[in-house]
Amino acid sequence: DTGVSQDPRHKITKRGQNVTFRCDPISEHNRLYWYRQTLGQGPEFLTYFQNEAQLEKSRLLSDRFSAERPKGSFSTLEIQRTEQGDSAMYLCASSFDLVGLEAFFGQGTRLTVV
Amino acid sequence: SQQGEEDPQALSIQEGENATMNCSYKTSINNLQWYRQNSGRGLVHLILIRSNEREKHSGRLRVTLDTSKKSSSLLITASRAADTASYFCATDAGGSGGSNYKLTFGKGTLLTVNP
Repeated sequence: DTGVSQDPRHKITKRGQNVTFRCDPISEHNRLYWYRQTLGQGPEFLTYFQNEAQLEKSRLLSDRFSAERPKGSFSTLEIQRTEQGDSAMYLCASSFDLVGLEAFFGQGTRLTVV
Repeated sequence: SQQGEEDPQALSIQEGENATMNCSYKTSINNLQWYRQNSGRGLVHLILIRSNEREKHSGRLRVTLDTSKKSSSLLITASRAADTASYFCATDAGGSGGSNYKLTFGKGTLLTVNP
């Protein structure tokens, strides 16, 4: 499978714990995005990488959130001191900038904070 | 904030009928894309239409774009039960330095196709 891969698919954690999600983009894509989707809503932009550089972070991304993309390949999204409001689907997408913003999404990681 | 707004929020039709979903947005865009999402799954890219295009086809899908009205429509012809999903429009309004990197999604239309 050469699509965008996310791990884990589901995560249940207790409030206050730290969680980390991983995204493996399509290998030749140099852009990588993280979105968050809550029930009944469309995805909302969180952050964007061009190769290894994080070029923009949404105001939704509080200081408890950190994302990295070392070496411009896979990316991790960490949430520290999780809160119940962090419960959502976290979606990763990647694209190749020369063809515009046709982004390919992974299956997402569903986070439940209890 | 969500720029796109799909209409209707929910649509239920019989297999074989056509389904039309509309999307309105607020700011000028570089392109508009439609995605499908099955329950609890990731998004599947359906079609991208650029701001200088007015209509685009892909299989049973037809997308129109009216930049003067800031609206788009997605038509699915001869619907199938497998088309049951949520459909989202996403706009790309560009960004700093002219690079396009951020999609703004609407809340989606939940389409149910009854066999």
